[in-house]
Amino acid sequence: AQKVTQAQTEISVVEKEDVTLDCVYETRDTTYYLFWYKQPPSGELVFLIRRNSFDEQNEISGRYSWNFQKSTSSFNFTITASQVVDSAVYFCAPSDRGGSEKLVFGKGTKLTVNP
Amino acid sequence: GAVVSQHPSRVICKSGTSVKIECRSLDFQATTMFWYRQFPKQSLMLMATSNEGSKATYEQGVEKDKFLINHASLTLSTLTVTSAHPEDSSFYICSAGRTSGYEQYFGPGTRLTVT
Repeated sequence: AQKVTQAQTEISVVEKEDVTLDCVYETRDTTYYLFWYKQPPSGELVFLIRRNSFDEQNEISGRYSWNFQKSTSSFNFTITASQVVDSAVYFCAPSDRGGSEKLVFGKGTKLTVNP
Repeated sequence: GAVVSQHPSRVICKSGTSVKIECRSLDFQATTMFWYRQFPKQSLMLMATSNEGSKATYEQGVEKDKFLINHASLTLSTLTVTSAHPEDSSFYICSAGRTSGYEQYFGPGTRLTVT
């Protein structure tokens, strides 16, 4: 079974600052997937990224980037030049075999970006 | 594509009554649907996994007789909270996985308030 730790409960930054959200996971599976979701105040979960455990390349999507370190079981998420609209709760979630299997959500990190 | 809807978005009911929440995959067939529960400022906790045409698999600690799940078709799953009590007040979120795919698509959630 998966387990995930998001040690940062809340983070507050000023607009345009870079911010990194940490995610450390535990799994006994050799193949697994890692997800990040954003939950704005409206409550709806927004999919951000899915990463296969075999793919350790870092990924960049606009202002978002992810650093996957299999050796340390971490999958950290960085927002560059943060904006007020980035304010939300961010969840990291590993999964057994992908989207068709249940996700185990971390406790989430609440990010507040102040103007 | 890959839109999941939930109905209703908000519901207020009196203690002792039952409430049904619908989860629909609008533009794809969902072999598996998941029901999560989220208390204020907390993470999402998986309640049950349902596969079309079979009984739902409940997570430990979730009362099967209280939270009735029906997955009658590849596009519809329902969660019925029976004899609701104030402690059942929560945000209920469903998600759906494609027949062959690697993501879960989340509905917008249903906020249940039991008075």
